[in-house]
Amino acid sequence: KNEVEQSPQNLTAQEGEFITINCSYSVGISALHWLQQHPGGGIVSLFMLSSGKKKHGRLIATINIQEKHSSLHITASHPRDSAVYICAVSRANFGNEKLTFGTGTRLTIIP
Amino acid sequence: NAGVMQNPRHLVRRRGQEARLRCSPMKGHSHVYWYRQLPEEGLKFMVYLQKENIIDESGMPKERFSAEFPKEGPSILRIQQVVRGDSAAYFCASSPQQGGETQYFGPGTRLLVL
Repeated sequence: KNEVEQSPQNLTAQEGEFITINCSYSVGISALHWLQQHPGGGIVSLFMLSSGKKKHGRLIATINIQEKHSSLHITASHPRDSAVYICAVSRANFGNEKLTFGTGTRLTIIP
Repeated sequence: NAGVMQNPRHLVRRRGQEARLRCSPMKGHSHVYWYRQLPEEGLKFMVYLQKENIIDESGMPKERFSAEFPKEGPSILRIQQVVRGDSAAYFCASSPQQGGETQYFGPGTRLLVL
């Protein structure tokens, strides 16, 4: 079983819909990261969080440490949000914060 | 402040050749991580380096792969005698010295082994 599981694997939605992507992990972590990988392949870090909730524009990330679960929400989705969204966890070990990744959620927003 | 830079962006090698991938971290960053993304697979950790030191190479194949981060210059991921299975996207990411910070990813190097 992977240490980081994401669902769904693929998600297609109409423009304007509210999007939720889920991430569960099975290990103790120091932080959880949400990343976005564009069709061209570049990776952008969206959020790094260890508790509570963070918001940036139309994106919201939440984490429940007790349940080992995080969600990424996109409000008023737009075709430019189409990308692969990747959940990753880090377990700080003397400064080593290597990431363990989920397999990603491929999001397609249809105009 | 330039972002993380990687070069080349695309690299084609024939089986048995060597591949050298370079990563220049963001200014002020002294931690470098290399990750590999095989076709249709997720990202996997390879190696973590600080200046002049390999801290964790647990994700790197024991043979043919090596990494360095010299005092001056970029971090280098070196693959000797490449095989078709090495074809992948290789990303590096950097973070500041104090740790506990977001990792910033480079654009990746797409390696194709013919």
